[in-house]
Amino acid sequence: EAQVTQNPRYLITVTGKKLTVTCSQNMNHEYMSWYRQDPGLGLRQIYYSMNVEVTDKGDVPEGYKVSRKEKRNFPLILESPSPNQTSLYFCASSYKTAINSPLHFGNGTRLTVT
Amino acid sequence: GNSVTQMEGPVTLSEEAFLTINCTYTATGYPSLFWYVQYPGEGLQLLLKATKADDKGSNKGFEATYRKETTSFHLEKGSVQVSDSAVYFCALFDNYGQNFVFGPGTRLSVLP
Repeated sequence: EAQVTQNPRYLITVTGKKLTVTCSQNMNHEYMSWYRQDPGLGLRQIYYSMNVEVTDKGDVPEGYKVSRKEKRNFPLILESPSPNQTSLYFCASSYKTAINSPLHFGNGTRLTVT
Repeated sequence: GNSVTQMEGPVTLSEEAFLTINCTYTATGYPSLFWYVQYPGEGLQLLLKATKADDKGSNKGFEATYRKETTSFHLEKGSVQVSDSAVYFCALFDNYGQNFVFGPGTRLSVLP
C-alpha cells in the first residue's frame, strides 16, 4: 500500500531534550516536506526537499533540522525543543516533475514540549 | 511571493445545505490548484485538483473551477452531509518554484 509513515504518533518531551520524528514513503517520490499545524495558523511549511541531499527552508525553519540521505526517508530533528514547538506535525511527499502530482500526507505526530 | 487566502471559518451548515468555501491565490506563472480535506485525527487527503485555467475538479459531489481571471478556486457542494464535517485546505503548486503553498484552512461543521 502506498503510504507516508510518521513515527511516533504522539510524543511528550521536556525542553532541551533532542528528538527526531521519522518520516518514510514507499512511492519513490522525489519531493518531501514537513509542516506544522497550529490552531488559527493553518499549515506552515518547515523544510522541504526536492531530492536526495537537497533541502530548503520553508516558512518556519527556526529550531528544526532535516536530512535527506535516502530518497524514502526525511527525518525532522529538534536539537533543543522548546514549548513553542508544541504542535501537530505532518510529513508529505509527491513526485517532483508532475505538475499535477498531489501531496500524500502522513497521519501526523502530535508533539508536546513541557 | 505566492499565497493562498481562504474564507474565515468555522462554517456551520445544516444537512443538505449548499456549501461554498472561497479560495483566492497569488502566484507567478500558472500554478496547479488543489483542495485537501482533513477529517478529525487524520492527515490531509487530496479532494480534487485542477491544473490549468477553466479546468473543473470534482470528487465526492464537491466541485471547484480554476478561474484565472479572478485568481480563484472556490469549493462548492450542492448538498452537504454530516460526514463532510472536516477542515478544508486550498493549495497551489508553484511550477516555477516547485513548491506547495497552503491556505489557512476552513473548518466545516454539518449539523443533522
